[in-house]
Amino acid sequence: KAGVTQTPRYLIKTRGQQVTLSCSPISGHRSVSWYQQTPGQGLQFLFEYFSETQRNKGNFPGRFSGRQFSNSRSEMNVSTLELGDSALYLCASSASSGGTIEQYFGPGTRLTVT
Amino acid sequence: GEDVEQSLFLSVREGDSSVINCTYTDSSSTYLYWYKQEPGAGLQLLTYIFSNMDMKQDQRLTVLLNKKDKHLSLRIADTQTGDSAIYFCAAKTSYDKVIFGPGTSLSVIP
Repeated sequence: KAGVTQTPRYLIKTRGQQVTLSCSPISGHRSVSWYQQTPGQGLQFLFEYFSETQRNKGNFPGRFSGRQFSNSRSEMNVSTLELGDSALYLCASSASSGGTIEQYFGPGTRLTVT
Repeated sequence: GEDVEQSLFLSVREGDSSVINCTYTDSSSTYLYWYKQEPGAGLQLLTYIFSNMDMKQDQRLTVLLNKKDKHLSLRIADTQTGDSAIYFCAAKTSYDKVIFGPGTSLSVIP
């Protein structure tokens, strides 16, 4: 089974620009969640999508948005980039069945905002 | 607000047991998780426990949950050098948000 893939792996953007990150989940997984990891704030939950619907959202401004397609692939978008958006963005693909949770993370996209 | 706390560092000798502790504030948390992050190896869901359970054992890992004290612990038996990593505790709140602790850096001394 192929793992979770994220593209691009590295990205450098300028303040004020916008960026779109992509995540392809494990085949059969319908849930995709996104996380931001920074040295200062640690790991923070961004949002979770299930069957193209956003199920919940973390405490991030509206500049952070996402969507999920019918094939479960997900994208997250950050508009009007700020220096503080520099981070490792992780996505995870998950499934649950009969009380068992399966979750796998992608390698992340390292975003640098200059 | 919702918060998850854990000690930042732990050092143990190879072969000993490691115990990583975590406290959380949302008493209505539904799931509690332990994640492992090794340099260059990404984040991995290690184990989890539902809030209606007190204990879960998975090979060398034992998770204990004390709901009254809002305390979660992860015990790793027979700790090996390959267990050296950062361990994150996380709680899924009643609003379905996941809150992470700052991570505990576990160093295993050969």
